Amino acid sequence: SQQGEEDPQALSIQEGENATMNCSYKTSINNLQWYRQNSGRGLVHLILIRSNEREKHSGRLRVTLDTSKKSSSLLITASRAADTASYFCATDGTASKLTFGTGTRLQVTL
Amino acid sequence: NAGVTQTPKFQVLKTGQSMTLQCAQDMNHNSMYWYRQDPGMGLRLIYYSASEGTTDKGEVPNGYNVSRLNKREFSLRLESAAPSQTSVYFCASSDVGAPGANVLTFGAGSRLTVL
Repeated sequence: SQQGEEDPQALSIQEGENATMNCSYKTSINNLQWYRQNSGRGLVHLILIRSNEREKHSGRLRVTLDTSKKSSSLLITASRAADTASYFCATDGTASKLTFGTGTRLQVTL
Repeated sequence: NAGVTQTPKFQVLKTGQSMTLQCAQDMNHNSMYWYRQDPGMGLRLIYYSASEGTTDKGEVPNGYNVSRLNKREFSLRLESAAPSQTSVYFCASSDVGAPGANVLTFGAGSRLTVL
C-alpha cells in the first residue's frame, strides 16, 4: 500500500507564482524525501528532511515536516516553465526501503 | 559518470513470453531496487537488494524474479509475461548507511508492453 499521498494530484500555475504541494503519510518515518520526474524520465532527488527537522531550504525549494500530523509540504518559489514535472514524496520507514506517494503533476505556463 | 543504466528502453512482449530487464550502476552503491510505475499508482517496489548476494521482496513481487549478479548489476526477470505487467520499470541504487541516508539514483526507465 502507498505510504505517501500527495495533494493536489495536479496543479497549474503561471510562471513566477509559487507552487505548494503536500504529502501525508501513515507511519513513523526516519526521513522524508522529495523527488521530481520530468515526462518520460527517471526520478531525480530534490531534498531530504529528517524526522527531527521542521524546515529545510535548497535554492527555490522549501520543505516543511510536521511529524505530529504526519505531513510535509514542498514549496517552489518563483516557478519557471522548467519546473513543469511530477513531484513525489518518499518516506523511509523500515529496512531503509523508500515508499513513494502517487505524485503531484505541476504545470507551469508562460 | 553514467549513473544507473537500464536496458532495454522499450519492449513489447506477447502474453507468456519471458524477458529480462538489465540494470547496472557505476557509483559503487550497495543497494539496488526495482520499481514499477503505473498511472495513478505512483512507484511500487518490486524487489530490492540491500547488498551483493541478498535480495528481498517488495510490495508487488508476484510474477517477477531478480538476480544480484554482482555489486554493479541487478536484473529483473519476467518468466511468463501478463498484460497486468504492462508498466514502466525503474531501477535505482543507493548507498544506504552513508551520510546522505537512503537517497536513490534512478535509471531512465524501461517501458514494457505486454499484449
